[in-house]
Amino acid sequence: QKEVEQNSGPLSVPEGAIASLNCTYSDRVSQSFFWYRQYSGKSPELIMSIYSNGDKEDGRFTAQLNKASQYVSLLIRDSQPSDSATYLCAVKEGLSFGAGTTVTVRA
Amino acid sequence: KAGVTQTPRYLIKTRGQQVTLSCSPISGHRSVSWYQQTPGQGLQFLFEYFSETQRNKGNFPGRFSGRQFSNSRSEMNVSTLELGDSALYLCASSFQGEQYFGPGTRLTVT
Repeated sequence: QKEVEQNSGPLSVPEGAIASLNCTYSDRVSQSFFWYRQYSGKSPELIMSIYSNGDKEDGRFTAQLNKASQYVSLLIRDSQPSDSATYLCAVKEGLSFGAGTTVTVRA
Repeated sequence: KAGVTQTPRYLIKTRGQQVTLSCSPISGHRSVSWYQQTPGQGLQFLFEYFSETQRNKGNFPGRFSGRQFSNSRSEMNVSTLELGDSALYLCASSFQGEQYFGPGTRLTVT
């Protein structure tokens, strides 16, 4: 079992829709969780961090964490073509990354 | 604040050679992590340094090594290069787990 698993994608959504990204992890001791966005040919950039169970909202992004289920998700509301990228989930204090989910927002 | 810088940006080496990559973290960040990114394997953790000490290590062979200097700058070394070492090598400086990545060094081994 991989340490961090993300829904494989690619995920294609129409402009204005909600993109839902999921991530499960195996290491129960993880206390901090992060979502990164990586545009093609660029480095990952941090978009969200979450440490407590529940929801955390930042603009059009909402991260959800459920430590009991070992699950963290990212919702992108009102998706824009500029959101087209690969989204990486990171756990274990940011040292273990999932393979990423590629999102394409159709105009 | 200036971001994370990595040098060189591109490198072509021959099998069997060794290579040293450099990373300067964001000012004030004491933790530096290194990752290898390939299309097939994704982003894989190599090691993390904090205050000149290796704090965590990924599952890479001993050919991969690193160090951190007193000014938090870090270097990564790969000895006896193999074709499979061709990848993008990313350095990240972090603060409270939030990582800020440099532009990477694209290493090609021929």
